[in-house]
Amino acid sequence: DIQLTQSPSFLSASVGDRVTITCRASQDISSYLAWYQQKPGRAPKLLIYAASTLQSGVPSRFSGSGSGTEFTLTISSLQPEDFSTYYCQHFHTYGTFGGGTKVEIK
Amino acid sequence: QVQLVQSGAEVKKPGASVKVSCKASGYSFTSYYIHWVRQAPGQGLEWMGIINPSNGGTTYAQKFQGRVTVTRDTSATAVSMDLSNLTSEDTAVYYCARSSVATSLYGMDVWGQGTTVTVSS
Repeated sequence: DIQLTQSPSFLSASVGDRVTITCRASQDISSYLAWYQQKPGRAPKLLIYAASTLQSGVPSRFSGSGSGTEFTLTISSLQPEDFSTYYCQHFHTYGTFGGGTKVEIK
Repeated sequence: QVQLVQSGAEVKKPGASVKVSCKASGYSFTSYYIHWVRQAPGQGLEWMGIINPSNGGTTYAQKFQGRVTVTRDTSATAVSMDLSNLTSEDTAVYYCARSSVATSLYGMDVWGQGTTVTVSS
């Protein structure tokens, strides 16, 4: 089974900071990777699919890159509403999620 | 509008079973897989399984094999997830989510609101 390892698991940042989260796959998954944002008590929200395509309605400060085994989610200028937990996810026959990255206010 | 609406919260005793339903509306029911994902308190997301509403085909995570059953009712455009032999470790919020049957590149773009299942004696 494919495993996804996210880093860091916790990140402290300020409004306006550039933030990068990494997701590493245990084997080549091409571009079959999505990123989600989850706020407390809410369902996850799709941000990025196919590794780098922005979901409709998601602000352009979010971007994704990578292919194969290494992927990144970047928030170019952190806004107050971005303080959340972020997950990477892969599905092909079986699904899997990364462990999550909690972004908190410094 | 496109939405997935889940059934209400459940409280179960250890050893019991629970059934959570997910009603789809606003889109072609057979064009999207339905996934089940759970989240234990303070923990991350865990993928449980998937159903293809077009043919009823299912795939389950190895961890849940033998204990989970996902079914669909195409006339009602609904999917149900049954989890048996519950323990306290099954206390979690359970989500359904859809993804395109055409390709898994597009991710899970619509989620249900979540159903809290509490297992307690």
